[in-house]
Amino acid sequence: EDQVTQSPEALRLQEGESSSLNCSYTVSGLRGLFWYRQDPGKGPEFLFTLYSAGEEKEKERLKATLTKKESFLHITAPKPEDSATYLCAVQYYGGSQGNLIFGKGTKLSVKP
Amino acid sequence: EADIYQTPRYLVIGTGKKITLECSQTMGHDKMYWYQQDPGMELHLIHYSYGVNSTEKGDLSSESTVSRIRTEHFPLTLESARPSHTSQYLCASSQVIVGEQFFGPGTRLTVL
Repeated sequence: EDQVTQSPEALRLQEGESSSLNCSYTVSGLRGLFWYRQDPGKGPEFLFTLYSAGEEKEKERLKATLTKKESFLHITAPKPEDSATYLCAVQYYGGSQGNLIFGKGTKLSVKP
Repeated sequence: EADIYQTPRYLVIGTGKKITLECSQTMGHDKMYWYQQDPGMELHLIHYSYGVNSTEKGDLSSESTVSRIRTEHFPLTLESARPSHTSQYLCASSQVIVGEQFFGPGTRLTVL
């Protein structure tokens, strides 16, 4: 069964304490993996696209990486404003063209 | 300003009522989507459109219907609301890459 699993479900960090979020996927053929940030009461905000193993993308304190079975979102020296739920989504070959499979997300809290 | 709008933001209605959730985007995107999201759960695609007069159902079965008469407008209609329809409904749009979606702020629907 095609699925996306994110871990941990929740993560509490102190400001400046670096960590990583995980997104593992089991799909027949990856077309693309996408990271989003979602703040409470708002729609998700697109962050990164990754297409192939070994690819990396960076934006401010965030860096996304991709292997053949999982992706990591590394957060370096986080600040309280990085607190949000981070979602991972996968598009795969053979799936409905409009369809992304979303994970349940990791809720990140960064304390000052 | 390029954006995607949803109205209403919050809606509380009684069982059996007909409702329409509005979604409009000013980015000129061809692709538009409707998702359903329950608290702590993943987004599920219920409808999508790749252009005017084109609509498809997503993987999550839904009793709602959609229309796409204009590029910028993608309303969702429930003919007879039920408590099981209580959820957050998110509208999104994208241009070339399906996974790079811009989301609206969502409509939180409560059916009593």
